[in-house]
Amino acid sequence: GAGVSQSPSNKVTEKGKDVELRCDPISGHTALYWYRQRLGQGLEFLIYFQGNSAPDKSGLPSDRFSAERTGESVSTLTIQRTQQEDSAVYLCASSLNPLRFGGGPYEQYFGPGTRLTVT
Amino acid sequence: KQEVTQIPAALSVPEGENLVLNCSFTDSAIYNLQWFRQDPGKGLTSLLLIQSSQREQTSGRLNASLDKSSGRSTLYIAASQPGDSATYLCAVTGNTGKLIFGQGTTLQVKP
Repeated sequence: GAGVSQSPSNKVTEKGKDVELRCDPISGHTALYWYRQRLGQGLEFLIYFQGNSAPDKSGLPSDRFSAERTGESVSTLTIQRTQQEDSAVYLCASSLNPLRFGGGPYEQYFGPGTRLTVT
Repeated sequence: KQEVTQIPAALSVPEGENLVLNCSFTDSAIYNLQWFRQDPGKGLTSLLLIQSSQREQTSGRLNASLDKSSGRSTLYIAASQPGDSATYLCAVTGNTGKLIFGQGTTLQVKP
């Protein structure tokens, strides 16, 4: 079946502009995660959605970053007034309910990422 | 705060060698540990997932072990091939399901 998809695959923007990144999770996956990977660094957790629960925003680096998710489908990550330090690959992942009773977190499936370059 | 460390940061071996990649984590209260492969310009591919109650998982030439009490995992690659060249990432899952990643080990297998 279809995996996690992300768009655009590449985005070049000028400093100060706003950008929107999109993630389409695997159908039926209630959990959705955004991660960021800056050049030469590891992956950093940004935000996590689980069903209709309040999202875990603990990884968002500043108030310029926000994300929304419509039900259990598409999510958009918005970065306002982009800065050069925002340049990174933004990865989205989805999984089944990670904390269902009797089980632990499920395997996360990653999309190909969006490479954002802020000039 | 959970921290994940991978050693070595980079590794270069001739084709055919067996090799071991190391991962350590500071908080043993994990649900599972995953090993991923990342190729340049591409997303992550999950290689092996070990639940906290398990000791190891095997897939083909790959074997991953987990010692939760000591906070360690190893990824063993047998008979390495040039196609194994990639960055290998270790990640542990905490109580919300979010992954905490190590910095990765970049592997080069020379023909």
